[in-house]
Amino acid sequence: QVQLQESGPGLVKPSETLSLSCTVSGGAIDTFSWTWIRQPPGKGLEWIGYFYYSGSILYNPSLRSRVAISRDTSKNQSSLKVASVTTADTAVYYCARGGGLDALDIWGQGTMVAVSS
Amino acid sequence: IQMTQSPSALSASVGDRVIITCRASESISTWLAWYQQKPGKAPKLLIYKASSLESGVPSRFSGSGSGTEFTLTISSLQPDDFATYYCQQYNSFSTFGQGTKVEIK
Repeated sequence: QVQLQESGPGLVKPSETLSLSCTVSGGAIDTFSWTWIRQPPGKGLEWIGYFYYSGSILYNPSLRSRVAISRDTSKNQSSLKVASVTTADTAVYYCARGGGLDALDIWGQGTMVAVSS
Repeated sequence: IQMTQSPSALSASVGDRVIITCRASESISTWLAWYQQKPGKAPKLLIYKASSLESGVPSRFSGSGSGTEFTLTISSLQPDDFATYYCQQYNSFSTFGQGTKVEIK
């Protein structure tokens, strides 16, 4: 069965770029869409954006200027970059299968990223 | 599109019928999903397209609604159901509701 695993640094300094990867096992990444979501400590879920299976990308308008989502089919990975981070970007970051008109049916376990000097 | 869930929290007993409401700021047809999240865990999909039960999810969970008004119903609350529930619209971009925490009474 398909499984997702997020990875990346647990600590990022303010103004730097946060980079995360989501490795997909048990299925080919280019046959589905992949969404990134984050959850600040003790708060709700925030949709970041998705990489549609066809190659199009859609971002949350409130984050569009600072985020980039990509796909590497050779590594079966989706990647997320968030530029110019502040403490407000401290959160658990999740990747999930789905996007567009598909609900998010498989989620990774999430990875905690703290922004601090 | 803004998603507003109510209530934000509720206390209920095992066996109770629980209803959670989600309202969209504009019509989203039936492009709505419901998720369950337990502390320290990733959300789990329960319902998609407003009323379709995800495979493996107990039949005590059901969803209904269209347009701007949606409900998640748990027909008989079980000990494993104490968690936070989120709605998500995926009609235009995507937005989550603020969550409803279901606690033990």
